[in-house]
Amino acid sequence: AQSVTQLGSHVSVSEGALVLLRCNYSSSVPPYLFWYVQYPNQGLQLLLKYTSAATLVKGINGFEAEFKKSETSFHLTKPSAHMSDAAEYFCAVSFGGKLIFGQGTELSVKP
Amino acid sequence: GAVVSQHPSWVICKSGTSVKIECRSLDFQATTMFWYRQFPKQSLMLMATSNEGSKATYEQGVEKDKFLINHASLTLSTLTVTSAHPEDSSFYICSASFRDRGSGIYEQYFGPGTRLTVT
Repeated sequence: AQSVTQLGSHVSVSEGALVLLRCNYSSSVPPYLFWYVQYPNQGLQLLLKYTSAATLVKGINGFEAEFKKSETSFHLTKPSAHMSDAAEYFCAVSFGGKLIFGQGTELSVKP
Repeated sequence: GAVVSQHPSWVICKSGTSVKIECRSLDFQATTMFWYRQFPKQSLMLMATSNEGSKATYEQGVEKDKFLINHASLTLSTLTVTSAHPEDSSFYICSASFRDRGSGIYEQYFGPGTRLTVT
């Protein structure tokens, strides 16, 4: 069965510091993986996606993620955090046309 | 492109009344739309999958008579919360499925959500 686990429900970084949000997946078939961002009282916006074309995926707003099959991971990173990055982040795996979401990680950015 | 709208963005209703939420794909046709429910500080919970012209498929534990879903066209799906009660208060989000021509996979584009408060 497909599943996604996000390690850490809350991550806090200083402005300008590295952002690392962890996501591990479980899938019986080659997965399609996604990262979404959600700002308060809004829907989800796609940050980036892995579709087996390249293991290092670049997304919007300076985010990128690396697919590591051996570690079953798809961690999200950004070299330098901005205050505007404060939001909820969801990792998801596609299965049968549906999305299975992780629990979410709230990112706080301190000035 | 791939814009999904929801209306209303927020609604307050009295207990026992029904509320309809609309989800529209503005610049593409979506054969499949999804409805999610999100509680504060929690992830999205899939309620149902809606296919144009057919009955919705509900996830286990979701009352189909309580949450009526209609997908009358390729750009519109509606969720009606019938006889709403305070426990139905939540953030409801829809998404529309779109096949990416580059990768060939179906992606979901999300609406901005509807905040329902039942008093």
